[in-house]
Amino acid sequence: KQEVTQIPAALSVPEGENLVLNCSFTDSAIYNLQWFRQDPGKGLTSLLLIQSSQREQTSGRLNASLDKSSGRSTLYIAASQPGDSATYLCAVGSYNTDKLIFGTGTRLQVFP
Amino acid sequence: EAGVVQSPRYKIIEKKQPVAFWCNPISGHNTLYWYLQNLGQGPELLIRYENEEAVDDSQLPKDRFSAERLKGVDSTLKIQPAELGDSAVYLCASSLSWGEDTQYFGPGTRLTVL
Repeated sequence: KQEVTQIPAALSVPEGENLVLNCSFTDSAIYNLQWFRQDPGKGLTSLLLIQSSQREQTSGRLNASLDKSSGRSTLYIAASQPGDSATYLCAVGSYNTDKLIFGTGTRLQVFP
Repeated sequence: EAGVVQSPRYKIIEKKQPVAFWCNPISGHNTLYWYLQNLGQGPELLIRYENEEAVDDSQLPKDRFSAERLKGVDSTLKIQPAELGDSAVYLCASSLSWGEDTQYFGPGTRLTVL
């Protein structure tokens, strides 16, 4: 059974800091890994999608890496801003379950 | 391009009442998903459609939940009768296909059962 864990559960940082969010998964048989952002009371917004054959993806100040063999992914946010405050969810497209399995998220607060 | 549309955004009902949620996916997206999200948790898949066919409904409580996707476009998720434990956010998502494509989510319907 695929299990996805995100650490830390919550993070509070001052504006301008570079930060790393962690995601780990137990089954390396995956289609892909996605990072989403969720604002309070809103749906999910896709940030980055990494296919199983890829090692990383970048979009603006965001960089996500994938290490299938160790079952880990990291989301790097450069020069954080208050507008980055949200919950960040990691999700793994798992072959064995044939569905997207989500972690419980990291709640990020960036203060001015 | 319009995103995934869901209605209503909020619904408050008493237990044992029926409730229905509607979803309009992004145009051209063949795959449609319904997820359940409890507070502080990640979404969990209820059902996945490929066009009109429900290809994964293993997590759908079929004694009280039902879903349909007529003509392979819009979809409706129904609960009858609702229970207190059904209070949650119901999210609809769509993608071009299952597997390698990004899933795009709607804003969700927050259901409160009293």
